[in-house]
Amino acid sequence: DTGVSQDPRHKITKRGQNVTFRCDPISEHNRLYWYRQTLGQGPEFLTYFQNEAQLEKSRLLSDRFSAERPKGSFSTLEIQRTEQGDSAMYLCASSLAQGNEQFFGPGTRLTVL
Amino acid sequence: GQNIDQPTEMTATEGAIVQINCTYQTSGFNGLFWYQQHAGEAPTFLSYNVLDGLEEKGRFSSFLSRSKGYSYLLLKELQMKDSASYLCAVSLSDNYGQNFVFGPGTRLSVLP
Repeated sequence: DTGVSQDPRHKITKRGQNVTFRCDPISEHNRLYWYRQTLGQGPEFLTYFQNEAQLEKSRLLSDRFSAERPKGSFSTLEIQRTEQGDSAMYLCASSLAQGNEQFFGPGTRLTVL
Repeated sequence: GQNIDQPTEMTATEGAIVQINCTYQTSGFNGLFWYQQHAGEAPTFLSYNVLDGLEEKGRFSSFLSRSKGYSYLLLKELQMKDSASYLCAVSLSDNYGQNFVFGPGTRLSVLP
């Protein structure tokens, strides 16, 4: 399968714990995006990368969230000191370039107890 | 700020035609996308408009008017499998703090 993959698909954690999610984009795609989606809402932009450079980060994103794409291939999203409000689906997407269609992964569903 | 509006829910009958509207007020417009999202699944690409006018792709068409900040998605010959959420999204130029903005989505129910 050559689509976008995410791991894990589901994560249940206790409040205050740290979690890390991984995204593997389509191999030739330069751009990688992270979104958060809650029930009944559209995806909310978190951050994106052009190769290994993190170009934008949502102003809504607290300092507990950090993302990396060290070699311009896979990316990780870490949430420190999780809160119940962090419970959501975390989607990763990739595209060839600015303005091109984004291909989404299946998402990681996070539940914070 | 960036704002995209869509109706929350729509209902239509199998075989009919439905139009889903989207209005936007954004900075640095670089194109408008429509995505389909079935419950519990990731969004999948439907269409892209960057110039004014109509783009047709099989049973789906999308229209854009940049001067009015308006787009619509037209679905013809509706099928039960078209029941899903339809997301309008605007691609922005870089350096606006949000590269890609999604609307809240329109949940379409197709009835027999």
